[in-house]
Amino acid sequence: EVQILETGGGLVKPGGSLRLSCATSGFNFNDYFMNWVRQAPGKGLEWVAQIRNKNYNYATYYAESLEGRVTISRDDSKSSVYLQVSSLRAEDTAIYYCTRSRSYILDYWGQGVMVTVSS
Amino acid sequence: DIKMTQSPSSLSASLGERVTISCRASENINNYLSWYQKKEDGSVKLLIYHTSRLQPGAPSRFSGSGSGKDYSLTISGLESEDIATYYCQQGYTPYTFGAGTKLELK
Repeated sequence: EVQILETGGGLVKPGGSLRLSCATSGFNFNDYFMNWVRQAPGKGLEWVAQIRNKNYNYATYYAESLEGRVTISRDDSKSSVYLQVSSLRAEDTAIYYCTRSRSYILDYWGQGVMVTVSS
Repeated sequence: DIKMTQSPSSLSASLGERVTISCRASENINNYLSWYQKKEDGSVKLLIYHTSRLQPGAPSRFSGSGSGKDYSLTISGLESEDIATYYCQQGYTPYTFGAGTKLELK
């Protein structure tokens, strides 16, 4: 069974940084791309970042609205993916979902982790 | 970025009713279109990918169609478990989603 579990959320002050972690199991992690998608309160889904697998040289892609403030990374030995977000703003307050993907197809999603940016 | 315009934003329907949700891309996305279901408990599931391919485990009452810029998701007979918000997503980076359609029971 595919399992995806996000951790690392919480309350962060504006201007601060946060590192989200996503642990996975139940599938061959090396075969898949991984993504982060977020949903701000009262808003729709927003794709944040993707990291491809070794076959694609771990290429990374980011939403333009966040580029420069976010870094996605992965550790294949731990079947885990990470999202580092810096210079946090109130509008970064959201539930952050970790998702597995085959290309653009986000086929399994975690339950999400809440990030609140507030002083 | 490719903009996805989804309609309607909300929809009220009766059990057993046929429901259709539409999505229009700002440019041709060559069938690289997925549909997702998000429930109130926060869970998100892939329903349809590549316009019309049913994700294993998704009920067969869900179907997708379209080409070029215009796509749709149809539920052939609404069931209570289908009450959720539905999102389309195009497949060129940066990936973008429609604004969502909140489906409620009439």
